[in-house]
Amino acid sequence: GAVVSQHPSWVICKSGTSVKIECRSLDFQATTMFWYRQFPKQSLMLMATSNEGSKATYEQGVEKDKFLINHASLTLSTLTVTSAHPEDSSFYICSASTWRGGYTFGSGTRLTVV
Amino acid sequence: AQTVTQSQPEMSVQEAETVTLSCTYDTSESDYYLFWYKQPPSRQMILVIRQEAYKQQNATENRFSVNFQKAAKSFSLKISDSQLGDAAMYFCAYRTGTGSSNTGKLIFGQGTTLQVKP
Repeated sequence: GAVVSQHPSWVICKSGTSVKIECRSLDFQATTMFWYRQFPKQSLMLMATSNEGSKATYEQGVEKDKFLINHASLTLSTLTVTSAHPEDSSFYICSASTWRGGYTFGSGTRLTVV
Repeated sequence: AQTVTQSQPEMSVQEAETVTLSCTYDTSESDYYLFWYKQPPSRQMILVIRQEAYKQQNATENRFSVNFQKAAKSFSLKISDSQLGDAAMYFCAYRTGTGSSNTGKLIFGQGTTLQVKP
């Protein structure tokens, strides 16, 4: 089945630094990748949608310059949290749409900014 | 804009019993897809069941079934013979059916935490 590998699974960084999260589709080509943010015991909030080779589409209220998304190939999409601050601490999940019309989710990244 | 509402923040069920999780949605579209996802403590999102709006027959996957009421915009999930491994957060989600089937974003409800008591 379709698998999305997300790394790292957890990361701790200092305030002001940048962190990159990678999502790779292992056995299929992910034309579209979705990036979500989830706070504890809350729902998944869509941050942006990225399509291979084009600029990401950000949801209202999401800072484009803080959350940089790159989808340079059909198997790799990255989310970079720039100049991270404690309020950026959260759980980030990627999801790729598959040819079957379904979705495959990465295992998530827990980001803690100290 | 489409919205998804799960009005039950928490539910509990006795092992081997049946429980129903509620979900309502709002849309002006006639073609769309509905999903139930499970998120266990590992936080890995797992697809439970999927329903195409054009299908009148309710989807079923083993112990999981849905009651899809299109006119009422209701999409409840029934879990039969509940097992300890069913304990998780459950999310109802909506996806538009228009456009490319591979680009529609998912809109999630608030989630329902299901506790299974032994």
